[in-house]
Amino acid sequence: GPKVLQIPSHQIIDMGQMVTLNCDPVSNHLYFYWYKQILGQQMEFLVNFYNGKVMEKSKLFKDQFSVERPDGSYFTLKIQPTALEDSAVYFCASSLGLGGVSYEQYFGPGTRLTVL
Amino acid sequence: DAKTTQPDSMESTEGETVHLPCSHATISGNEYIYWYRQVPLQGPEYVTHGLQQNTTNSMAFLAIASDRKSSTLILTHVSLRDAAVYHCILRVGGNNRIFFGDGTQLVVKP
Repeated sequence: GPKVLQIPSHQIIDMGQMVTLNCDPVSNHLYFYWYKQILGQQMEFLVNFYNGKVMEKSKLFKDQFSVERPDGSYFTLKIQPTALEDSAVYFCASSLGLGGVSYEQYFGPGTRLTVL
Repeated sequence: DAKTTQPDSMESTEGETVHLPCSHATISGNEYIYWYRQVPLQGPEYVTHGLQQNTTNSMAFLAIASDRKSSTLILTHVSLRDAAVYHCILRVGGNNRIFFGDGTQLVVKP
């Protein structure tokens, strides 16, 4: 099936530093998402993004978080500055359309972020 | 989004057919029933979805009760590769965030 890629697979950084997580979505998809999963816990929605704008975000999407997709390149999640509680696996997803006509989301393999 | 209830875990043996139940008693008329599965260290994988009618694809058969208050994901001839956590999720049209619960851990024995 369609593939979503995420780079890097692992990232270790010191608390307070900036980190950018990269997602290469399915080529013709228009909607992009980030989810966060802490080890042993449920996956939780962070944000979705369409046409250069954040459409919806959860309370987990703190002010230190930002997303963008400049010029159709990677869809990125930037955290600046990072905190210890940001340690988690971050999953990117993309879909062709919105719900209602039931467009499924395709997920990447995740980026494991460790903040020391 | 309405809540779903699934058993914590189920066991099967390779080659068998397994029925994974999901209860969604408070489902709304505009909510689709989606199934995703996730194995450790990987992102969730779309399995199937439906609204009212039973659906089938290469991965599974989804049986939806006539009152839509429950559904069953049916996997035939399961293999070790089908071992995963299976999530039953309801999604409202126009609201595309996915709420993942704990799901059902499917264990497949050789």
